Amino acid sequence: KQEVTQIPAALSVPEGENLVLNCSFTDSAIYNLQWFRQDPGKGLTSLLLIQSSQREQTSGRLNASLDKSSGRSTLYIAASQPGDSATYLCAAVFNDYKLSFGAGTTVTVRA
Amino acid sequence: NAGVTQTPKFRVLKTGQSMTLLCAQDMNHEYMYWYRQDPGMGLRLIHYSVGEGTTAKGEVPDGYNVSRLKKQNFLLGLESAAPSQTSVYFCASSYSGTGGNEQFFGPGTRLTVL
Repeated sequence: KQEVTQIPAALSVPEGENLVLNCSFTDSAIYNLQWFRQDPGKGLTSLLLIQSSQREQTSGRLNASLDKSSGRSTLYIAASQPGDSATYLCAAVFNDYKLSFGAGTTVTVRA
Repeated sequence: NAGVTQTPKFRVLKTGQSMTLLCAQDMNHEYMYWYRQDPGMGLRLIHYSVGEGTTAKGEVPDGYNVSRLKKQNFLLGLESAAPSQTSVYFCASSYSGTGGNEQFFGPGTRLTVL
């Protein structure tokens, strides 16, 4: 079964610290991996999409890497701010073309 | 562009009642999806559509039906609601289903079945 796992489930850091969020997947035959942000009671906002042929994607303070051989993706958020507090979800597309989601990491950035 | 919109935002049903959730997208996307999100379970795919007039089952299709009569709309129906269907429902769309394309999500519908 193709699974996506995010550990830890929750993370708390002081403002200014760099955030490192982990996502692992069981099948290296991945088409792409997408990172989302979800605020409480809200929908999902797409942050970054990494194609299987890419090693990383960057947008502002966000950088996501993809290592298919080890089954891992990492989302880096530089110089975290209280406004970065949210739940971050990763989701992978495998050979069935459907998104498989991790359970998410809830981030709290302390002012 | 409004992106992906969902109607209604909130709904409370009694067991056995029926309802339809509407999803609309204005991005001319071919693929549309319905997910449910439950605490500790993440998002799970209910049904999806690869184009107008087509539908297919996802991971948790039981108790739900869908229709895609128009390209821009994807309807999710509950014929006889059960408390186990209390959840937050999200609709999403993408240009295609192939690996390269990003999914865009609506704001969600919070459904409570009493």
